[in-house]
Amino acid sequence: DAGVTQSPTHLIKTRGQHVTLRCSPISGHKSVSWYQQVLGQGPQFIFQYYEKEERGRGNFPDRFSARQFPNYSSELNVNALLLGDSALYLCASSLFGQGLEEEQFFGPGTRLTVL
Amino acid sequence: TQLLEQSPQFLSIQEGENLTVYCNSSSVFSSLQWYRQEPGEGPVLLVTVVTGGEVKKLKRLTFQFGDARKDSSLHITAAQTGDTGLYLCAGYSFGNEKLTFGTGTRLTIIP
Repeated sequence: DAGVTQSPTHLIKTRGQHVTLRCSPISGHKSVSWYQQVLGQGPQFIFQYYEKEERGRGNFPDRFSARQFPNYSSELNVNALLLGDSALYLCASSLFGQGLEEEQFFGPGTRLTVL
Repeated sequence: TQLLEQSPQFLSIQEGENLTVYCNSSSVFSSLQWYRQEPGEGPVLLVTVVTGGEVKKLKRLTFQFGDARKDSSLHITAAQTGDTGLYLCAGYSFGNEKLTFGTGTRLTIIP
């Protein structure tokens, strides 16, 4: 079975541009979470979606938005890119997004570089 | 804001040696997880501990959750080159579905 897939794998943008990152969860998983991992640090939670509804949001500005589609895939959008948005963006999927009781499976990430 | 501090930040040891990595917080967590992340990949879950004082063993890896559920440790016995990677602890807190990750420990095992 395929794991969590993310596209693109690498992306280079300039300040002020907009970016869309995509994630396909493991088949049967209904919850998707997004994380930002700056070089040398642990991942930081951005969003969690379950059944197309936002279930949780981390401390990120409104420039960050996301959505989940009926097939449970998800997009993360970032507007007005800043140099500090350069990071590895990770997507994780789980069956129900129950947090305490479920394992999250992470994709390989999208490496975003903002110049 | 809940913070998980990991120490050491970097660790480089010879193959065959033992090591311990620490994960500390001033906050109480309902459960704590340990992940290993290799370059170009996402984190992979190693273990989840949920009870204060719990000890779990996974082959040469021993995980412990502190009695007060504020800290955890990962001990590796007879390290192998395949243990090289970024080790991350992450915790869930009561009533908060957000997974908070630690700062990470980058482990290098020298052959």
